[in-house]
Amino acid sequence: DAKTTQPNSMESNEEEPVHLPCNHSTISGTDYIHWYRQLPSQGPEYVIHGLTSNVNNRMASLAIAEDRKSSTLILHRATLRDAAVYYCILKAVRNAGNMLTFGGGTRLMVKP
Amino acid sequence: DSGVTQTPKHLITATGQRVTLRCSPRSGDLSVYWYQQSLDQGLQFLIQYYNGEERAKGNILERFSAQQFPDLHSELNLSSLELGDSALYFCASSVDLTGVEALNNEQFFGPGTRLTVL
Repeated sequence: DAKTTQPNSMESNEEEPVHLPCNHSTISGTDYIHWYRQLPSQGPEYVIHGLTSNVNNRMASLAIAEDRKSSTLILHRATLRDAAVYYCILKAVRNAGNMLTFGGGTRLMVKP
Repeated sequence: DSGVTQTPKHLITATGQRVTLRCSPRSGDLSVYWYQQSLDQGLQFLIQYYNGEERAKGNILERFSAQQFPDLHSELNLSSLELGDSALYFCASSVDLTGVEALNNEQFFGPGTRLTVL
């Protein structure tokens, strides 16, 4: 399965934008890029996903490089509540069960 | 609140014992996934059930088993427990269409069961 690479940790100031990078240089043409986050003491929660085009939802934006070898999760105004571990995950149709394969993720710290 | 419930929230037991973790998926979701989160291994997929049948298996030990019942709730059974089985166990559910459609589905995670083996 294609792997993702993320920085171990990042720091941001409250109310500033945050750009969380993810490299997936071995991505296949049919792999979808999903982002989940895990707040302290909680289960992971879905953030956003995309295939080729940039995507926006109420939580975040996802910018996907033209060659799809990298993507960036954008939190437009970080709040203290956004402090979490963010996981970039590739979902492939070749996985019969469509399970999620989590890597180490990026721990985002938000300073007031 | 994701709509996925897990019981119990905490479980403390001794080595060699057997425990059962329970998960109720969101209403309408046919797929249930089990994940284990330990400090040294991170979040790992264990097993998936779809509408009562096993669909995919991850790094699940032979001492562990799961099933999904007709009402779609699922149970994860852990036996001959070892100290290293101490972890957070998460259940997730999704609608899970097939093929490419399923790639657009999100999984909804429960709050987890924290298992401590002493």
